Amino acid sequence: ETGVTQSPTHLIKTRGQQVTLRCSSQSGHNTVSWYQQALGQGPQFIFQYYREEENGRGNFPPRFSGLQFPNYSSELNVNALELDDSALYLCASSARDEQYFGPGTRLTVT
Amino acid sequence: GDSVTQMEGPVTLSEEAFLTINCTYTATGYPSLFWYVQYPGEGLQLLLKATKADDKGSNKGFEATYRKETTSFHLEKGSVQVSDSAVYFCALSDGGTGTASKLTFGTGTRLQVTL
Repeated sequence: ETGVTQSPTHLIKTRGQQVTLRCSSQSGHNTVSWYQQALGQGPQFIFQYYREEENGRGNFPPRFSGLQFPNYSSELNVNALELDDSALYLCASSARDEQYFGPGTRLTVT
Repeated sequence: GDSVTQMEGPVTLSEEAFLTINCTYTATGYPSLFWYVQYPGEGLQLLLKATKADDKGSNKGFEATYRKETTSFHLEKGSVQVSDSAVYFCALSDGGTGTASKLTFGTGTRLQVTL
């Protein structure tokens, strides 16, 4: 069984640019959640997708958006990047009440 | 809103010492409680969970009991190993709709185990 995978592993962007992060969910999991983990902090919930529809959103501005595809993989898009967006972005997939996390994408905004 | 408070780290222990990491929570309703572990450079791994009051979650020698009366879910291990060195996160789920609810995490506690 393949676990949750994320790409890219690392990337560096400039303030004002746009970025797309990708996540492949674990086989059989139809729900994907995205979290932002700033250095030294716990993960913060961004939003969740269930069967291609947004199913809950945390306290993040609209420039954070997402998609879920028919195969349940997902994208996180962030527009107009700010320095404070520098963080580890974690994707988690689930089919019941347990969430399984990918290794994350480390985003650095300069 | 929901929140999780963990003891601040780092916690430094000698191998074979007893470990306790305190976690308390604030939530409406009846959340499920989790402990996740994060090894350096990696994502989060589910360590254990408990879904109702008085439940005890356990895994790999770690255990935690859901205490509704004290709103706590303290993590314990009787004898730590160097390989247990990691950051530990306490979390709760909000029991919302859908197949999996959002998780609210504490700030994490770094554990360093030395020989």
